[in-house]
Amino acid sequence: QSALTQPPSASGSPGQSVTISCTGTSSDVGGYNYVYWYQQHPGKAPKLMIYEVSKRPSGVPDRFSGSKSGNTASLTVSGLQAEDEADYYCSSFAGGTQVLFGAGTKLTVL
Amino acid sequence: EVQLVESGGGLVQPGGSLRVSCEASGFTFKSHWMNWVRQAPGKGLEWVANIKQDGSEKYYVDAVKGRFTISRDNAESSLYLQMNSLRAEDTAMYYCVRDRGWNLFDYWGQGTLVTVSS
Repeated sequence: QSALTQPPSASGSPGQSVTISCTGTSSDVGGYNYVYWYQQHPGKAPKLMIYEVSKRPSGVPDRFSGSKSGNTASLTVSGLQAEDEADYYCSSFAGGTQVLFGAGTKLTVL
Repeated sequence: EVQLVESGGGLVQPGGSLRVSCEASGFTFKSHWMNWVRQAPGKGLEWVANIKQDGSEKYYVDAVKGRFTISRDNAESSLYLQMNSLRAEDTAMYYCVRDRGWNLFDYWGQGTLVTVSS
């Protein structure tokens, strides 16, 4: 099993929207609705932002949304704010005994 | 409030051993799969190992198979990772992570830093 593919970087100005992709295969992202997104600020532990493709845990702003089409999942951050600048990692259940993460995307708020 | 508190990290020489621990509170520990996830300095997240609720199943990333052992003590609500034959590439922050099911990692500890260097 290979890691999920994410762009290394993304950026947007305050108030804009930005979308981060996460590409897998039919054995992981495309095969299950168990796709997750985590946010990590420098020096901090990761935080769950999206689960089961598009659901938000309590306390996560509705500016964060998730979707999936085929083997590619996406995280969209609308109305960008300075505090959204962080690394974002996707993950997907893959039906086996290993856990997959993407390599991460550094989101910069310009 | 769910809390996961790791401890036991430190500096160890190549070839050495170290055991890191995670003390859990605020939830029914014995009801959850638990995981260790690591992050090398400046790098991304790498899942290391997980263990079933009763400890009967354990899985590892290929890079640590035969060297690391995950275990748990449900009576103490504690998770452990015994790391042997450590290598420089094992240098990382090690996070204790709760699995809510289907590899949904809903709570993460703050991590414990393991440095392998001579």
